[in-house]
Amino acid sequence: ETGVTQSPTHLIKTRGQQVTLRCSSQSGHNTVSWYQQALGQGPQFIFQYYREEENGRGNFPPRFSGLQFPNYSSELNVNALELDDSALYLCASRLAGGLEQYFGPGTRLTVT
Amino acid sequence: GQQVMQIPQYQHVQEGEDFTTYCNSSTTLSNIQWYKQRPGGHPVFLIQLVKSGEVKKQKRLTFQFGEAKKNSSLHITATQTTDVGTYFCAGQKTSYDKVIFGPGTSLSVIP
Repeated sequence: ETGVTQSPTHLIKTRGQQVTLRCSSQSGHNTVSWYQQALGQGPQFIFQYYREEENGRGNFPPRFSGLQFPNYSSELNVNALELDDSALYLCASRLAGGLEQYFGPGTRLTVT
Repeated sequence: GQQVMQIPQYQHVQEGEDFTTYCNSSTTLSNIQWYKQRPGGHPVFLIQLVKSGEVKKQKRLTFQFGEAKKNSSLHITATQTTDVGTYFCAGQKTSYDKVIFGPGTSLSVIP
């Protein structure tokens, strides 16, 4: 167990809808990253939050947004869902400057 | 932008054979990390390498970081069926920077 939880486990949405995914980081971990993992591919970096501010972003459009809260929880919001957004969404937490990331079990999002 | 590549994409080995996956970054890294993801699971941290030319061992697994800090390898000796999964390398330009993953090497072990 990594101490990182995510909800929901699975989700089915329709194209054009909006979705919010949640992550609860390991206590004391002030850095959280979100990844998108399509089937058979490596995790693609979406963005990173440190002390409630975004401090790194991958090649994802603005309709992917996030929040980090003081209680080590965070959210990933995706607006105007597209079919290609179907993937496993992973959050990972670590201490700032720390090298070991702890991944949650992921949320499997299906867009129809 | 920063890219991390891995070869091979897939490897099928007979149980007891050795296995090696190679990782190459387009930029110099401050550190490289290795993760293992079992089918249906999430990535699990294995190890990090930070020094040029560093070699670390975990039982049958040997990890190396290149002298130029742009490449790395993972070698498994005498594979077992429990080694099945996808092995990812991931690199950072600084320890506060985003972690960029390679595409992974999927290992199948035939009993």
